[in-house]
Amino acid sequence: QQKVQQSPESLSVPEGGMASFNCTSSDRNFQYFWWYRQHSGEGPKALMSIFSDGDKKEGRFTAHLNKASLHVSLHIRDSQPSDSALYFCAASEPSNYAQGLTFGLGTRVSVFP
Amino acid sequence: DTTVKQNPRYKLARVGKPVNLICSQTMNHDTMYWYQKKPNQAPKLLLFYYDKILNREADTFEKFQSSRPNNSFCSLYIGSAGLEYSAMYLCASSRTLGGREQYFGPGTRLTVL
Repeated sequence: QQKVQQSPESLSVPEGGMASFNCTSSDRNFQYFWWYRQHSGEGPKALMSIFSDGDKKEGRFTAHLNKASLHVSLHIRDSQPSDSALYFCAASEPSNYAQGLTFGLGTRVSVFP
Repeated sequence: DTTVKQNPRYKLARVGKPVNLICSQTMNHDTMYWYQKKPNQAPKLLLFYYDKILNREADTFEKFQSSRPNNSFCSLYIGSAGLEYSAMYLCASSRTLGGREQYFGPGTRLTVL
């Protein structure tokens, strides 16, 4: 079973609309979360990280973390065609040492005019 | 420059032959990672180098080797390729302290025939 699960698998949103999708971890050791975005032909690129309960806003992107339920969401306001991509949630344990990320399967977002 | 470079972008290999993939970064990051991504699966961490220390995941320990001759370069080596090695291989780098965002290269698509 995936330790990091994302939903939905895909969604379509009109240009200018709000895109929202979710991520849940089944491993209580995972306390740090990242959202990565991957456009076709490119590697994943970090959008934002969230380590504390509550909301974190960066431009049109807002992440929300509930540590008790290990649920994190990402909301994209005023969606643009360039936001069409595969969005990965990734998680790790809090540590001062180097460690890799555990990824979910991704949510594919399509923004239509 | 936040670029991670990977060579080659596409690699065709024969079953039973060795494969060597190369990754480089000029950000002076202390950690470099290799992930494997297959269609409809999440990116999976294979191994990472923290400075000169190699950490390999338990379930892929015997399948992949790696070397890091200097801070900028890291290779992924498959001694005898099997059909199951066909995948996208993503290299990433990060600075262990200060956010630990991982920067990804565009990937090398390996096809084993």
